[in-house]
Amino acid sequence: DTAVSQTPKYLVTQMGNDKSIKCEQNLGHDTMYWYKQDSKKFLKIMFSYNNKELIINETVPNRFSPKSPDKAHLNLHINSLELGDSAVYFCASSQDIAGEANTDTQYFGPGTRLTVL
Amino acid sequence: GQNIDQPTEMTATEGAIVQINCTYQTSGFNGLFWYQQHAGEAPTFLSYNVLDGLEEKGRFSSFLSRSKGYSYLLLKELQMKDSASYLCAVMDSNYQLIWGAGTKLIIKP
Repeated sequence: DTAVSQTPKYLVTQMGNDKSIKCEQNLGHDTMYWYKQDSKKFLKIMFSYNNKELIINETVPNRFSPKSPDKAHLNLHINSLELGDSAVYFCASSQDIAGEANTDTQYFGPGTRLTVL
Repeated sequence: GQNIDQPTEMTATEGAIVQINCTYQTSGFNGLFWYQQHAGEAPTFLSYNVLDGLEEKGRFSSFLSRSKGYSYLLLKELQMKDSASYLCAVMDSNYQLIWGAGTKLIIKP
């Protein structure tokens, strides 16, 4: 069974459209994340979320919003897509955030390659 | 600002040993992670250091010196499948992972 899954794997869309990427983890983890990896391969945290707190990276435009229907899911909604949004988006999860390896280690989904035309 | 530095690219020979260095400047420290990322795939966890010293795990070892803000990943008996990017990441005082850009390791026969 896949631990962290994302759909779709590839997403090609026009500028101005609204799209969503889904993420599910079956590890029983409490914390989930969204990352953006651009062409220079930097992994940039966008959001981290558990049942207590949503932490938003202040550099993320408000066109991006996470939606969590339950602890196992954290979906990413993007409004009014722009060319600069083209990147690979990774979902990840960890057991918790506690400063310990067994809780903090993040497990990544396979990524969603978004191309905005 | 927070900063993680790693070499952009390294080349090594199959069967040899390679050391990938990482230096960091972060607001606080709650552990350092090494991840491996093959082209087109997700990062996968390799190692975690929070105390000074060497952690060994099979062919891979990771070292940390908190006073120097320095870590390295040591790969022994290199195999062709080790060709990948190796990402250094530090968990800061807010328990956010700060990532380096990764080191692309090329293994030659």
